[in-house]
Amino acid sequence: EPEVTQTPSHQVTQMGQEVILRCVPISNHLYFYWYRQILGQKVEFLVSFYNNEISEKSEIFDDQFSVERPDGSNFTLKIRSTKLEDSAMYFCASSEGGVPTVQYFGPGTRLTVT
Amino acid sequence: RKEVEQDPGPFNVPEGATVAFNCTYSNSASQSFFWYRQDCRKEPKLLMSVYSSGNEDGRFTAQLNRASQYISLLIRDSKLSDSATYLCVVTFKSGGYQKVTFGTGTKLQVIP
Repeated sequence: EPEVTQTPSHQVTQMGQEVILRCVPISNHLYFYWYRQILGQKVEFLVSFYNNEISEKSEIFDDQFSVERPDGSNFTLKIRSTKLEDSAMYFCASSEGGVPTVQYFGPGTRLTVT
Repeated sequence: RKEVEQDPGPFNVPEGATVAFNCTYSNSASQSFFWYRQDCRKEPKLLMSVYSSGNEDGRFTAQLNRASQYISLLIRDSKLSDSATYLCVVTFKSGGYQKVTFGTGTKLQVIP
């Protein structure tokens, strides 16, 4: 069964450093998303991406964040200068169609900022 | 009022019991509704979509009440493997796009 994959599973970084989180969406999906979940809190939408551009972003997704689809398979989330409060689980998701089509989530990357 | 609200629980129920969760949403224009399941430190996984007419999938039944703005999930004959956090997900249109909002989740613990 096709699945969304994410690397790395765990990333530890120092405050102020840049990190890139990687995702490989399901191959025939056209819509891609990033979510984050701070430990013990709810899943929060960050950004959606379609046709090589951002279709929507939340207030969390400020200038420190960017997304890219550098090739035909990868979808990345970059955080330019990490802060302690960026520590969270970051989930990538993909769907065949746009919302409200069902989204399939990757296993997540746990980001720890020290 | 929160956009999507769930009782965090935990709901501790014995194996074989029936348990029900509710989720309320504030935006009357909400369009689509889902229940996801999340195991500890894992990704959310779709459990079922929620349709206006209500729908059932084995031991799971989902219902939507638009008038009162809530959705529900009923689990019959609970199994130990049902222990997880159940996330309510609601979508509504915002500025031309569909916004996806998760509830905080309801934790279920099925005990032997």
